[in-house]
Formats: sequence, structure tokens, C-alpha cells
Amino acid sequence: SQTIHQWPATLVQPVGSPLSLECTVEGTSNPNLYWYRQAAGRGLQLLFYSVGIGQISSEVPQNLSASRPQDRQFILSSKKLLLSDSGFYLCAWAGGSQYEQYFGPGTRLTVT
Amino acid sequence: GQQLNQSPQSMFIQEGEDVSMNCTSSSIFNTWLWYKQDPGEGPVLLIALYKAGELTSNGRLTAQFGITRKDSFLNISASIPSDVGIYFCAGLGSGGYQKVTFGTGTKLQVIP
Repeated sequence: SQTIHQWPATLVQPVGSPLSLECTVEGTSNPNLYWYRQAAGRGLQLLFYSVGIGQISSEVPQNLSASRPQDRQFILSSKKLLLSDSGFYLCAWAGGSQYEQYFGPGTRLTVT
Repeated sequence: GQQLNQSPQSMFIQEGEDVSMNCTSSSIFNTWLWYKQDPGEGPVLLIALYKAGELTSNGRLTAQFGITRKDSFLNISASIPSDVGIYFCAGLGSGGYQKVTFGTGTKLQVIP
């Protein structure tokens, strides 16, 4: 069966510091991968998606970036965090014929 | 980005009562999904619907894909305390990328 991992689970970072969040998927190959951000009590905002290694599409202009160095690895980065980057970051994968998305456990980021 | 209109936004119900929530869109979707999110966790896929008019059950949950393909409904029968959480609908269009449009969420509170 497929599983999706995210780490770290929680992170507290000062403003201006760099960021690296990692997402890995097991049990499937060539998945579509997604990064979402969720503000407290709000819906899901799609940040990036990838249909293959090295292929990244951005949905929202911001100071975040994403990379996909391996088929089942998706990384969210920032060179300098802003207070507004705080939130709950979710990674998701999709595959198969119907492309339902399955979410990871999330990373809670607090920028201080 | 675009979001689906989900209602109600929140609801308080007595344990044992039935619950209904719905999702409407101005766009046609080929697939409708329903997720549940517990606090601090990633959304979990509950039900997937693939055909207009389709009615699908998962235990006490029943969801329907609207005939117009622009809406979907989720019903929970005989609610229990662990049904507490935020329920999101999501619609998928066609095409290789499979971008998902999420609803704004329905927050469900169950009073024991």
C-alpha cells in the first residue's frame, strides 16, 4: 500500500531564516505531487504541483520554491521566511486512473 | 484560486442525529471527493464519486454526485463524537494534471 511521509512534524523558525520541508511517498511510482498551505481554520491553498522529476508548477507567487529531485521526493524551500509563511503545510500525492489526492500528516510551521 | 461553495460553514449537532452538508460549483467536475480533517492532521479521503447521479456509502457516510455534475452531497447518519472535524469537498476536472478544487469546509461539532 502507499504511504506518504512529511517531516518535520512541527517547526519554529525566526523571520529571515531558510526553510526546507520534505515529503516522500512509498508504494507508488511516478505520482503527481502537491504542496498545500492551510491557515488556521481555513481551506487549502495549492502552492506547487509536480507531474515528474524536475517538473514544478507554481500556483501562487511567493517567496517559497519547490523541487523534485527524485520520483517520490518533493521538497518545499525558502531562502528567507516571512511571518506570513506560518501555517500548516500539507503534501499530497495522486496517481492511478482517477487521480484522487492523498495527503500526508502535515508540518506545522511557526515563524517568529 | 477558485473554491467550491460548501454549506453549512459550521454546525453543532446532538450525538445520534443525522448530518447533511453540500457543495456547489459553477463548473462541471468529472469526479467529486469528500475528505475529513481532524485537528492537526492531514485530510483523509472518505468517499470518491465518479459518475453523475452516483450514490456511494462508506459505513455511516453516504455521498452523492449531483446529476448536473455541479454539486455533491454528504450525509452522516447517527453521528458519534469522533465525527467531529472539518469536512471538505473537492472536485476534479479532466486532463493529465488533475488539478483539484477544494471546498471551503464544513466544521462539525457533535454534542455528546
